[in-house]
Amino acid sequence: AQSVTQLGSHVSVSEGALVLLRCNYSSSVPPYLFWYVQYPNQGLQLLLKYTTGATLVKGINGFEAEFKKSETSFHLTKPSAHMSDAAEYFCAVSPSNSGGYQKVTFGTGTKLQVIP
Amino acid sequence: EAGVVQSPRYKIIEKKQPVAFWCNPISGHNTLYWYRQNLGQGPELLIRYENEEAVDDSQLPKDRFSAERLKGVDSTLKIQPAELGDSAVYLCASSSERELFFGEGSRLTVL
Repeated sequence: AQSVTQLGSHVSVSEGALVLLRCNYSSSVPPYLFWYVQYPNQGLQLLLKYTTGATLVKGINGFEAEFKKSETSFHLTKPSAHMSDAAEYFCAVSPSNSGGYQKVTFGTGTKLQVIP
Repeated sequence: EAGVVQSPRYKIIEKKQPVAFWCNPISGHNTLYWYRQNLGQGPELLIRYENEEAVDDSQLPKDRFSAERLKGVDSTLKIQPAELGDSAVYLCASSSERELFFGEGSRLTVL
């Protein structure tokens, strides 16, 4: 079984401020972890993913996330928010078992507002 | 490379009416998914196809929902009859190496 908890359905930051979106996961096996972004009236787009290896993962648009096994967390950060970062962000988890289909489970999302 | 294409983008119908959504996945992607996204929620899987075979339809409400993927490429998701609670965004996705590629979605409003 697997699940994702995103703390805070809405986060507001000032332009230029640090962005921190929180994600905690639960998985009975080592996980693969993902962050997706959804702009208004669009589908989801992959920001970054953790599979194996380096625990600090860099993605598109200056975002990065760190896999912390001891904390079962995969928080998303960006040093300086831009107006174009306003969107909804979804954390997702799937089992890392090789072979066959591995179901992706999404969190409920965090809507990021960037204040000028 | 073209992305996942869905149509229609928006659909407004009255309850008890039928509705159908169409999806064309990324060329070469054998796995196709239909998700439903309710307002303020993350996507929830309805059905997954491997080529033309529906390999996971456990979350599809089979009394009113049906889907098909003839020839293992395009797919259609149908609701008949629609209920008020079916109002949502229906997302189609295809995948490669664990990464999901989503279409822009079809927003359904049932009145």
